[in-house]
Amino acid sequence: EDKVVQSPLSLVVHEGDTVTLNCSYEVTNFRSLLWYKQEKKAPTFLFMLTSSGIEKKSGRLSSILDKKELFSILNITATQTGDSAVYLCAVETAGNKLTFGGGTRVLVKP
Amino acid sequence: NAGVTQTPKFQVLKTGQSMTLQCAQDMNHEYMSWYRQDPGMGLRLIHYSVGAGITDQGEVPNGYNVSRSTTEDFPLRLLSAAPSQTSVYFCASSYSRRPEQFFGPGTRLTVL
Repeated sequence: EDKVVQSPLSLVVHEGDTVTLNCSYEVTNFRSLLWYKQEKKAPTFLFMLTSSGIEKKSGRLSSILDKKELFSILNITATQTGDSAVYLCAVETAGNKLTFGGGTRVLVKP
Repeated sequence: NAGVTQTPKFQVLKTGQSMTLQCAQDMNHEYMSWYRQDPGMGLRLIHYSVGAGITDQGEVPNGYNVSRSTTEDFPLRLLSAAPSQTSVYFCASSYSRRPEQFFGPGTRLTVL
């Protein structure tokens, strides 16, 4: 059975802090790993990673994948209150199927 | 483009009732899927479709049916609602060669 585990479950930080979110996985037929941000409603796509060691960046967010150790990290630097959300990690296996982790809830206080 | 649309936004059912959650997309995506989201459990795949006329089961298919008669529409049917089906339901779609799925706004379902 495919499994994706995220940690921590939740965290509270202050504006300006740096946040590191973890995602580990055990799946058959790994194709890619995706990160989503979920505020009040639908998840929105952030990154897709397919190769180890190559960092993807978008503004203050960055992510890296380690296919040998089967994990990914999402970093958020200089956090803002607008970064408050649930961050979801998902692994793509055969045929576009995504297996999601339970999510990490981030609260950024002013 | 409207993207992925879902109706209704909210629904309350009594145990044993049936209903259909509607999902439509206007991006000509081949792949469509239904997830349920329960507190602390992320998103779990119910059913998915790789194209019109083709559907398959996901992780938690029991109590749900789907069909895909057109590329655009992918309705989810609850056959006999149970309190355990109280959840938020998301529909999503993507191109068949690209895994990043676009999500609809969700339907919050309560079964009493």
